[in-house]
Amino acid sequence: KAGVTQTPRYLIKTRGQQVTLSCSPISGHRSVSWYQQTPGQGLQFLFEYFSETQRNKGNFPGRFSGRQFSNSRSEMNVSTLELGDSALYLCASSPTGVGDTQYFGPGTRLTVL
Amino acid sequence: DAKTTQPTSMDCAEGRAANLPCNHSTISGNEYVYWYRQIHSQGPQYIIHGLKNNETNEMASLIITEDRKSSTLILPHATLRDTAVYYCIVRVLRLNNQGGKLIFGQGTELSVKP
Repeated sequence: KAGVTQTPRYLIKTRGQQVTLSCSPISGHRSVSWYQQTPGQGLQFLFEYFSETQRNKGNFPGRFSGRQFSNSRSEMNVSTLELGDSALYLCASSPTGVGDTQYFGPGTRLTVL
Repeated sequence: DAKTTQPTSMDCAEGRAANLPCNHSTISGNEYVYWYRQIHSQGPQYIIHGLKNNETNEMASLIITEDRKSSTLILPHATLRDTAVYYCIVRVLRLNNQGGKLIFGQGTELSVKP
């Protein structure tokens, strides 16, 4: 089975712009979770989607949003980018998200200038 | 949410067993202990998980104490490629059992040396 894929792998944006990141889960997995990793804060949970519905949300401002499509692919969007949004954004998929193992993709490295 | 405590860093000689400890004294009865590792800012890689019994797979062994307040991840024959940050995580579930998230601590930076 193919693993979790994320596109693009690297991205450079300027402050004030918006960005959309994409995640394709492992085939058959319906839960997709997003995480942000920075040197200062480490790995932090953003949100989780299951069956096109946001089921769980971390403590991030409303500039961070996401969605999930009927084929379980997910996108996350960050509007009005700030320098502090520079990070590695990771997505993870699991069959149901409840009591099963999450498998991570390689991440998207976002740099905000 | 149950919190985990791990040493910041550890060294291990190549070919020797690496024993990575983790304290999770506030773990609840239905929470699992998960271990992931992350190499050079790649995506975290799942290693193993357990509830209360010891577990073993092709990558590692997980030893959980009887009171479940601590655990040890064992890499039986560490290689240079095992150099990574190892995260011990207690799996958090929402009260209504719908959805879940992983809460990562700072992890242990394991350096395997020749």
